[in-house]
Amino acid sequence: GQNIDQPTEMTATEGAIVQINCTYQTSGFNGLFWYQQHAGEAPTFLSYNVLDGLEEKGRFSSFLSRSKGYSYLLLKELQMKDSASYLCAVRVISGGYNKLIFGAGTRLAVHP
Amino acid sequence: GAGVSQSPSNKVTEKGKDVELRCDPISGHTALYWYRQSLGQGLEFLIYFQGNSAPDKSGLPSDRFSAERTGGSVSTLTIQRTQQEDSAVYLCASSSDTGELFFGEGSRLTVL
Repeated sequence: GQNIDQPTEMTATEGAIVQINCTYQTSGFNGLFWYQQHAGEAPTFLSYNVLDGLEEKGRFSSFLSRSKGYSYLLLKELQMKDSASYLCAVRVISGGYNKLIFGAGTRLAVHP
Repeated sequence: GAGVSQSPSNKVTEKGKDVELRCDPISGHTALYWYRQSLGQGLEFLIYFQGNSAPDKSGLPSDRFSAERTGGSVSTLTIQRTQQEDSAVYLCASSSDTGELFFGEGSRLTVL
């Protein structure tokens, strides 16, 4: 089966750094995505990793280790507006087509 | 339009009634996904379209749920004889070959 695990909730302080972990057990792995979702809004794309290593995009970075089935999203210089849910999603190839499977999401609360 | 468009944005219905939810994807996107999100929960995969065909219907919760896509564009998700547990936000997303999903704002369904 396909399984994606991430912590349910995290809290952090404005200006700090936070790391949100995601582990997955899937077959046909073909890339990992991170999405941000503010309450009551649609998810928006943050990052994509298909090869091992770190992808940096401004205050956000995402890391992937395919051999360990592990990824993390790193948020630097936290701002209050970063309070949101962060969704880890794995793209798998099944029957010749791609499918994106989401984890349950991590609710991040940033406080002053 | 520039983004994924869903309608209605909000639907309140009585138990036992049928509902139709519409998704208009980004022009040229061949892949279209339907997800369901209950309050405070992650995204539950429902069905995936590649063009007009649905290679993966494994996520549909019951035979009361059906979906179709015509002309490789607009998709309709139909829920027959709605139940209270069907209450959720139904999210549609489309993607091109790069795999990044672009989400609509969702249709919030409330079954009384």
